Order: sequence, then structure tokens, then C-alpha cells
Amino acid sequence: EIVMTQSPATLSVSPGERATLSCRASQSVNDNLAWYQQKPGQAPRLLIYGASTRATGIPARFSGSGSGTEFTLTISSLQSEDFAVYYCQQYDNWPPWTFGQGTKVEIK
Amino acid sequence: EVQLFESGGGLVQPGGSLRLSCAASGSGIIFSNYVMIWVRQAPGKGLTWVSAISGGSVATYYVDSVKGRFTISRDNSKNTLYLQMNSLRAEDTAVYFCAAYYYGGTGFYTIKKPFDFWGQGALVAVSS
Repeated sequence: EIVMTQSPATLSVSPGERATLSCRASQSVNDNLAWYQQKPGQAPRLLIYGASTRATGIPARFSGSGSGTEFTLTISSLQSEDFAVYYCQQYDNWPPWTFGQGTKVEIK
Repeated sequence: EVQLFESGGGLVQPGGSLRLSCAASGSGIIFSNYVMIWVRQAPGKGLTWVSAISGGSVATYYVDSVKGRFTISRDNSKNTLYLQMNSLRAEDTAVYFCAAYYYGGTGFYTIKKPFDFWGQGALVAVSS
């Protein structure tokens, strides 16, 4: 089973600032890595797939990078609606499909 | 675009059973062309994949913690996914999301895709 590890657990950022979230896989997942956003009481929403491709309707301020075992999600200028929990997920080697434990982006 | 709606959640005693349903809708969708998945989220915790089923129900997969207790199935004529949960434990308490990705009905074992579509979730609480 591939273990996904996200850091930090919590990120405190002021609106308008940049946020950088990290995700590490215990073995290579190539570029089969997705990022999801989840707000309280809501379902996760796909943001990024293929490590760097934005899903339909996702604003350009969200960008993903990385390959192999190290990945990054960057939010270039945080808007109020971006404060949420973000999860990475590998879909390279399944089952199981595995998620990171999440990074909470909170208002500083 | 696929819309997913879960139902069947509720409060159940330890050792009891519950069946979740997930109805899919969307203009022109062919339900059998989608891999269907269950993901759960315990209170205050992260996301955990639970089970998956191929379009024609030939292949089914489970996380180790539910093997032998949960059964995933689908009825393509009704565009509906199910999760039969037996011998429920307190640690099964969670919001259960159904999710899906399109694979076109072939190449299930080789296609690698994220979970594009998600339902709103159904709460399952196991407590005496």
C-alpha cells in the first residue's frame, strides 16, 4: 500500500498571500496524483489531477507540480473561499486508492 | 456531468446492518461506463477509500477493515450503487460518500483516474 503524507497539518495564511502545500508518496506514483478541496459539511471537490492539470472550472490561482514521490499544491493568492482542507490522493497503484491525511488552510 | 445522491444512512446498533444507496443521474449518462466507489470520513478525520466496483460488476475491491462484512453492488438498469454493511462496529461510524470516474466500460484494470464526481454523503452512526 502506498502511504501518502501531507505537510503541514495546518497552514495559517492571510487573504491574498500564497499557500504552498506538500504531499509525499512512500513510493513513486508517477504523475497519478490528485488534489481535492473539502469545505465543512461538503463533499470533496477535485481540483487537480495528473499532478498538474486543473479540473474543469478550477481557477488558475490553483496549480500543482511534482512527479514521482514529491508533489506541491500552490494557491497563488488566497481568496476567502479557499480556506478549507486539502487532500492529495494517489491513483497509480490501486487498490487501495490512498489519501493523505489532509492540510487545513486557515485564516491567519 | 454526473450527479450522485446517497441515501440509507442512520443510527444502528453494533452488530447491526445497513444498506446505503447512491443514485446517479445526468444527461445521457451510461452508468455502466463508470467505476463506482465508496469513500468514508470518520468524524473529524480524513478520507478513506472503502470499496470499488467495475461497470459490469465483474471486479470488486474492499479495504481490509471491511472485507467479509461489507458488500458493494450496482444495478445498472436503475443507475444505482449499493453498499450492504453487516456486523457494523463503532469504528464504522462515518460519513459515506459515493464517488465515480468514467472509464468507458473497457480497460478497467489499466485505467488510472481520480474520483471526478462525488455525492453529498450519508451519515452512518454505530452506537448502542
